Amino acid sequence: QVHLQESGPGLVKPSETLSLNCFVSGGSMSGHYWNWVRQSPGKGLEWIGFVHDSGTTSYKSSLKSRVTISVDRSNNSFSLRLTSVTAADTARYYCARDQGPGYGYSLDIWGQGTMVVVSS
Amino acid sequence: EIVLTQSPGTLSLSPGERATLSCRASQSVSARYLAWYQQKPGQAPRLLIYDTSRRATGIPDRFSGGGSGTDFTLTISRLEAEDFAVYHCQQYLSSPWTFGQGTRVEI
Repeated sequence: QVHLQESGPGLVKPSETLSLNCFVSGGSMSGHYWNWVRQSPGKGLEWIGFVHDSGTTSYKSSLKSRVTISVDRSNNSFSLRLTSVTAADTARYYCARDQGPGYGYSLDIWGQGTMVVVSS
Repeated sequence: EIVLTQSPGTLSLSPGERATLSCRASQSVSARYLAWYQQKPGQAPRLLIYDTSRRATGIPDRFSGGGSGTDFTLTISRLEAEDFAVYHCQQYLSSPWTFGQGTRVEI
């Protein structure tokens, strides 16, 4: 049973960089796309981007200039880096796996999410 | 990007009633690329339906999905207490993946 667990600081100062990690346990990362999704308080879900285990990435256009998602196969994890954060980036951040195999599948496994607040 | 619009925003029903939720896409989404998720307060989303009509593992058969082109529906045939939650649709036809704004099903 694959399990995802997010980790990272819960508080980030404005203009700084948000860094989160998602550890994958119980299975291989091979062949899947690994996603980050966020949810601002009281709002809907917003897809941020994904990384394939090969390293291929895709990002939401409006975040593309600030986002990097990378995979660390040796540690069975993937990470999110979001630069120059503002209060608008305050949200619960989820990591999620697509069903696979290949491109264009729904997200069948989700982490529990981690809340990140941007505040000085 | 493909915009998904869900309606209604809130659905007020009683246990045992039928719930019909709508998800409309700004452009055609193949039936292969539409999913529904359930989210309860304080919890992560859970995959209910994928590829428009396929139930995810462990999802009871009172949940069903349908539709094609730009119009999709999630139906809960007989609401149970545990079904009161927020439901999100998502397309994964073309990047960026997008979600609807959600429909809250409340008592």
